Order: sequence, then structure tokens, then C-alpha cells
Amino acid sequence: KAGVTQTPRYLIKTRGQQVTLSCSPISGHRSVSWYQQTPGQGLQFLFEYFSETQRNKGNFPGRFSGRQFSNSRSEMNVSTLELGDSALYLCASSEGQGAGGYTFGSGTRLTVV
Amino acid sequence: GQSLEQPSEVTAVEGAIVQINCTYQTSGFYGLSWYQQHDGGAPTFLSYNALDGLEETGRFSSFLSRSDSYGYLLLQELQMKDSASYFCAVRDRGISSGSARQLTFGSGTQLTVLP
Repeated sequence: KAGVTQTPRYLIKTRGQQVTLSCSPISGHRSVSWYQQTPGQGLQFLFEYFSETQRNKGNFPGRFSGRQFSNSRSEMNVSTLELGDSALYLCASSEGQGAGGYTFGSGTRLTVV
Repeated sequence: GQSLEQPSEVTAVEGAIVQINCTYQTSGFYGLSWYQQHDGGAPTFLSYNALDGLEETGRFSSFLSRSDSYGYLLLQELQMKDSASYFCAVRDRGISSGSARQLTFGSGTQLTVLP
């Protein structure tokens, strides 16, 4: 079956702009989590959605938001981009609470200039 | 708060055995996972321990001691393709006060396998 699909793969934005990233989970997976990966901070949890509800949120400013649609696809949005938002944004899906492991997408590489 | 400690780098030769340790501090602990990530790739799930003891999956084994807040990943018969970053991750409540669970990752161990 198809894996987790993230679009776009690469993105260059200017400081102050906003960006929307998309994630399509594995068919049947209702949980979608988002992570930010940077060389200095590693993998940082952003938020998790399950059945269109945000179930958990990491320690990120309100500029970072997300949502999940009825088909489990998820989007995350970052407003008023800062240079420090440059990172690899990873989406992961799981069937439920993730005990069986999360499947990650290849990520969206965001560069803010 | 939450914190995970793992070595930043490990080097070993092909055919050897290597152990990557992970110690953690967290609240609402549910289990310890391990993920592998090659350069430029997505993290891939290796194993999950919810209970104390050893879990074996092929050349990889993972161990957990909940009383010691400690776990390790054991890689046997190392191959060049095992060169990658390895992350331990605790499944916990994070900063949520509810029952929702999340993965909190360690900073990763870069494993280099030499010929």
C-alpha cells in the first residue's frame, strides 16, 4: 500500500510569508503527527491529530497550526515565517496511538530566506 | 520535563555488534521506540518496548528497563547499510494533561560502519 505522502518536497519562502504543508497518511491510519527536524534541535513534536481533532500539541508558538480533514489528510500552516523555521517538516501516521510504530513521510524541506 | 540521552556518535566495523544506549526522564511513560534514519531519508520504525525485557527482530534487538529508565538498541552482524542515525523515542503524554500520547525523540546517534 502507498506510504505517507508529503507535498511539496521542497519549498523556499521569504521571511514574513506563510506556508501550508500537506500530508496524506497511509490508508486506514487515522492519526497524523507532525515533527520539525533541524540539525541543532533534532526531531521536535509539533502536534497530533486523530479523527479531525488535535489530540496533543508540542511547545511551539501559535504561528504553527494544523488541521485534519475527514479523509485523515492533514495540513500544517506556519504564518509569519522566520529564518529559524527553516527545517525538514516530517509527517507520521499510525493506526491508533502509535504503539505499533509510526510511518514517516519523506518530509518537506522548508527554507526561509 | 522530558529528556532523553543517547551517545552522539558510535563507530564499528562490519560484522561487529554495537549497542546504543538511551536513558530517559519523562512523565506518563508508555514505551520506548527506536527509529533509523539514513541521510536525506525518512525515519523508519525499528522496534517498540512497552514492558521490561528484550525484543528481537532479526539482527536488531531492543531492551527496556522501566525501573532504570533505560533502554538500548543492539545491532548484530553490522553491515555497511546500517550506517545511519538511530533515535530512541519515548511514547508519553508530553505536555498534555490528557491521555493522548506522543513521541518525544532523543537527539540521535550517528552510527558509522567501517569496512
